[in-house]
Amino acid sequence: QVTLKQSGPVLVRPTETLTLTCTVSGFSLRDPKMAVSWVRQPPGKALEWLALIFSNDEVSYSPSLKTRLTISEDISKSQVVLTMTNVDPVDTATYYCAQLPSGDYFNSWGQGTVVAVSA
Amino acid sequence: EIVLTQSPATLSLSPGERATLSCRASENIFTYLGWYQQKPGQAPRLLIYDASNRATDTPDRFSGSGSGTDFTLTISSLEPEDFAVYYCQQRKNWPPITFGQGTRLEIK
Repeated sequence: QVTLKQSGPVLVRPTETLTLTCTVSGFSLRDPKMAVSWVRQPPGKALEWLALIFSNDEVSYSPSLKTRLTISEDISKSQVVLTMTNVDPVDTATYYCAQLPSGDYFNSWGQGTVVAVSA
Repeated sequence: EIVLTQSPATLSLSPGERATLSCRASENIFTYLGWYQQKPGQAPRLLIYDASNRATDTPDRFSGSGSGTDFTLTISSLEPEDFAVYYCQQRKNWPPITFGQGTRLEIK
């Protein structure tokens, strides 16, 4: 059974760096066809794709956020980490990690982390 | 960037009725389109992939159709648990992976 378990802060101050962790089980981050991605959803708004990573360290970012995002993985811990620098209140959202087989569709999702950016 | 436009924004129907949701792409995406259902407080759930293929555990009252730029998600007879928000997503050209803005299906 595929599971993705998220961890991270619920409150971040403006200009700080947000770090979110996704711990996966039921599949291997070594699988070359398997990507893990991050998606966010501001309150009451639509889904927004942020970044993805494949096991060969191929990464891809949303062009609009590319300069602020870093996605990485620790295969030994089965973890994928997303960092977002210089956060702003507009970054307030629920952040999800998701399994993305072959970079196609989001097959399984984490439980979501509600992040508020506020002074 | 491929833009996906969903219509209507809100659809009000009664249980037992047929629902038709639309997703239009800004360019040809062949059949590289998925549909997701999201209920309040939950993560999205993949319903349909590659325009017309049901994902695991998707009931057969859900069907997808279309190709090119115009796509439809049809729910043949609404059950109470189907009232939710639905999103389409394209995988033809990325980055970025893009979603539509969603259609809210509410009980009339």
